[in-house]
Amino acid sequence: AQSVTQLDSHVSVSEGTPVLLRCNYSSSYSPSLFWYVQHPNKGLQLLLKYTSAATLVKGINGFEAEFKKSETSFHLTKPSAHMSDAAEYFCVVSDGRGYNKLIFGAGTRLAVHP
Amino acid sequence: NAGVTQTPKFQVLKTGQSMTLQCAQDMNHNSMYWYRQDPGMGLRLIYYSASEGTTDKGEVPNGYNVSRLNKREFSLRLESAAPSQTSVYFCASSETGLNQPQHFGDGTRLSIL
Repeated sequence: AQSVTQLDSHVSVSEGTPVLLRCNYSSSYSPSLFWYVQHPNKGLQLLLKYTSAATLVKGINGFEAEFKKSETSFHLTKPSAHMSDAAEYFCVVSDGRGYNKLIFGAGTRLAVHP
Repeated sequence: NAGVTQTPKFQVLKTGQSMTLQCAQDMNHNSMYWYRQDPGMGLRLIYYSASEGTTDKGEVPNGYNVSRLNKREFSLRLESAAPSQTSVYFCASSETGLNQPQHFGDGTRLSIL
């Protein structure tokens, strides 16, 4: 069965410093992986998607993620945090069977301090 | 661009009351989904509709019913609300096929007293 684990429930960074949000996945086949962002009182917005093309995936707002099969990881990074990046981030794996089932991690809340 | 629209945005119910949450999408997607979001648990799938005219149970369907009214609209009904159903409910839609990203509405915040 597919699963996803977000290793940090909270991450705090200073504005202008790098962001690293960690995600490990478990899958019995080559998965599709996503990162979504949720700002307060809003729905989830797709940041980026990996589907077995390039292992380094670039998303919106300067975020990127690298798929590492040997480590079963899909960490999200950004070189320089902005105050507007403060939000909750979800790592998601596609079940890849039957209907389009997505399996969500528990989320990582990112705080950005001046 | 409207995308996925959910109504209402907020609702307070008493235990035992019924309620229908509405969802509509304007992206011509075949597939639609209802999730609930609880603290520390990510999103859990309640029901989905792979295409117009079909609905199926997800991970946590008990206490809910759904209707796929047409291609655009997918409603979620609580027949007899319970405090355990206090949550934020999200509707999503996607194109047909596997590994498609889902597009989410802004949610309905439901409190049951």
